[in-house]
Amino acid sequence: NAGVTQTPKFRVLKTGQSMTLLCAQDMNHEYMYWYRQDPGMGLRLIHYSVGEGTTAKGEVPDGYNVSRLKKQNFLLGLESAAPSQTSVYFCASSYLVSQGGNEQFFGPGTRLTVL
Amino acid sequence: DQQVKQNSPSLSVQEGRISILNCDYTNSMFDYFLWYKKYPAEGPTFLISISSIKDKNEDGRFTVFLNKSAKHLSLHIVPSQPGDSAVYFCAASLNDMRFGAGTRLTVKP
Repeated sequence: NAGVTQTPKFRVLKTGQSMTLLCAQDMNHEYMYWYRQDPGMGLRLIHYSVGEGTTAKGEVPDGYNVSRLKKQNFLLGLESAAPSQTSVYFCASSYLVSQGGNEQFFGPGTRLTVL
Repeated sequence: DQQVKQNSPSLSVQEGRISILNCDYTNSMFDYFLWYKKYPAEGPTFLISISSIKDKNEDGRFTVFLNKSAKHLSLHIVPSQPGDSAVYFCAASLNDMRFGAGTRLTVKP
């Protein structure tokens, strides 16, 4: 089992460019999440999905879009990158929603720099 | 607004001693609290959780204490080992998960 994988690991963009981050999980989890981690801020939820074909906004959704066309994949898109989106992005998945103390399994992260 | 706060950015302890990591929260509706551990260049990994109806949960060297009246929880690691050196995130769940900023623990041999 690979668990949760993220592609790419690193990326540098210029302001205004677009890109898609790919997250894949092989644990048959229903729930998937995208977080960003910034110094002194912890992890903040961007968007999440409770199943194939569904998405919902998290704490900081502006400037991002997501899609969950297949159960195992969760894509995070930046249509027009801004320097404020420089961050480390983590994808996670879980069997059930975060309630009930169910743990989330995290990918290794994508370090994105927007110049 | 940060609903989950870890006010100590770093903590250093000697191997074999106790490590105590603290976390405060503001939303009394949180129903579960979790601790995650993160090594450099890796994603966070789940460590231990506690339901809001309990005040203690223990798993080997790790114990989490919850004080609901103070809206405070703590993670105790006894005895601390050099391999425990990592960043520890406190998290609280309701409809989604809210994380603290993390505490970097260094365990010195």
